[in-house]
Amino acid sequence: DTAVSQTPKYLVTQMGNDKSIKCEQNLGHDTMYWYKQDSKKFLKIMFSYNNKELIINETVPNRFSPKSPDKAHLNLHINSLELGDSAVYFCASSSNSQTAYGYTFGSGTRLTVV
Amino acid sequence: GENVEQHPSTLSVQEGDSAVIKCTYSDSASNYFPWYKQELGKRPQLIIDIRSNVGEKKDQRIAVTLNKTAKHFSLHITETQPEDSAVYFCAASTYDKIIFGKGTRLHILP
Repeated sequence: DTAVSQTPKYLVTQMGNDKSIKCEQNLGHDTMYWYKQDSKKFLKIMFSYNNKELIINETVPNRFSPKSPDKAHLNLHINSLELGDSAVYFCASSSNSQTAYGYTFGSGTRLTVV
Repeated sequence: GENVEQHPSTLSVQEGDSAVIKCTYSDSASNYFPWYKQELGKRPQLIIDIRSNVGEKKDQRIAVTLNKTAKHFSLHITETQPEDSAVYFCAASTYDKIIFGKGTRLHILP
């Protein structure tokens, strides 16, 4: 069983479209994250949720809106997609929000905006 | 906020030799330091970690050292093998999130 699963794995879309990426974890973790990895491989945190509550919101355009219906799911919706949004988006989860031990990453969603 | 610097950005070593990757962090409150390996097209995977109350940890061919006073930590890989070729990320954890270094692309030369 996959511990942290993301869908879709690949997403190609035109500028201006709205798209969503879904993430689910079956590890029983309390905290989930979204990271963006750009073409230079830099991993940058975007959001963090603990038990459905937003606890981290880094400097991310408000076109990006996370949503956590329950602690096992964290989705990412992106409005009005731009070329610069092209990247690999990784979901991750950890067992403790006080200190982020035990990070497990999903397999990533490669988003290409054309 | 926390800032993690990682060097070098690229490292080539002969198979069988050792590789060392160094990181520094800025927030003295950081207390957990994981290292991740990312192979091409794959997810980052935890390979070893160290907590702030420990100075060194070893797991087979890989070891990490931590100097809290200097805010330095390092990854050492001995007897490198072709399958060690990947991008390696150091990270520092402060309370509620992990901040990553910019990665080191390690090439193992035959």
